[in-house]
Amino acid sequence: SQQGEEDPQALSIQEGENATMNCSYKTSINNLQWYRQNSGRGLVHLILIRSNEREKHSGRLRVTLDTSKKSSSLLITASRAADTASYFCATDTGRRALTFGSGTRLQVQP
Amino acid sequence: GAVVSQHPSRVICKSGTSVKIECRSLDFQATTMFWYRQFPKQSLMLMATSNEGSKATYEQGVEKDKFLINHASLTLSTLTVTSAHPEDSSFYICSASDLPYDRGVSGNIQYFGAGTRLSVL
Repeated sequence: SQQGEEDPQALSIQEGENATMNCSYKTSINNLQWYRQNSGRGLVHLILIRSNEREKHSGRLRVTLDTSKKSSSLLITASRAADTASYFCATDTGRRALTFGSGTRLQVQP
Repeated sequence: GAVVSQHPSRVICKSGTSVKIECRSLDFQATTMFWYRQFPKQSLMLMATSNEGSKATYEQGVEKDKFLINHASLTLSTLTVTSAHPEDSSFYICSASDLPYDRGVSGNIQYFGAGTRLSVL
C-alpha cells in the first residue's frame, strides 16, 4: 500500500498563481522528498526535508513538514506554464526504498 | 551531474518475446538501483531493488522469473521482461542512488531514468 496520499489529485491554475499540494503519510519517516514528473518522463528530485525540519525553501518552492500530523505541503509560487507536471511526495523510512505518493497533476494555464 | 540514462525509451514487441531495458548511471557510481512500474495517471510501484553484485530484492507480488534484474556493475542495471504478454505493457522506470540500500541509511536521493514505454501486442 502507498505510504503517501496526495491531495488534490489534480489542480488547474492560471499562470502567476500559487499552487499548493499536500501529502499525508502513515508511518514515521527520516525524510520526505518531492519529485516532479513531466508526462511520459522520469522523475526529477526537487527538494528533501528531514524529519527534524519544519520548512525548507528552494527557489520558488516552499516545503513544510508537520510530523505530528504526518503531513507535508509543497507550495509553488508565481507558477509558470512550464511547471505543468505531476508532483509526487516520497517518504524515506530508512527501512526500505522510497515510497511514492499518489501524485498531484498540476496544470498551469498560460 | 547525477545523470541516469535509460534505454530504450519505447519498445513495441510481440507477445512471447523478451525485452531488455538498460539503466546506466553516467557520472556516478550507482550502488543501488531501483526498478519501478507505473500505470497511466498512477504512482510508481516499486518492483525490485538491487545492489551491485548482489541478487535483486523483489517486492511482494513481483515474479522473479518474469522480471529478471541484473546489476553486474556500478554503472549498469538491466531489467529483462521475459515472455512478455499484453498485461506487461506499462511504463518502466529505473532510478539509482549512490548510497547502499541498507537499514539506517537515509537521505538518499534517487536519480531517475527517462523511462521505457513497453507495448506488448
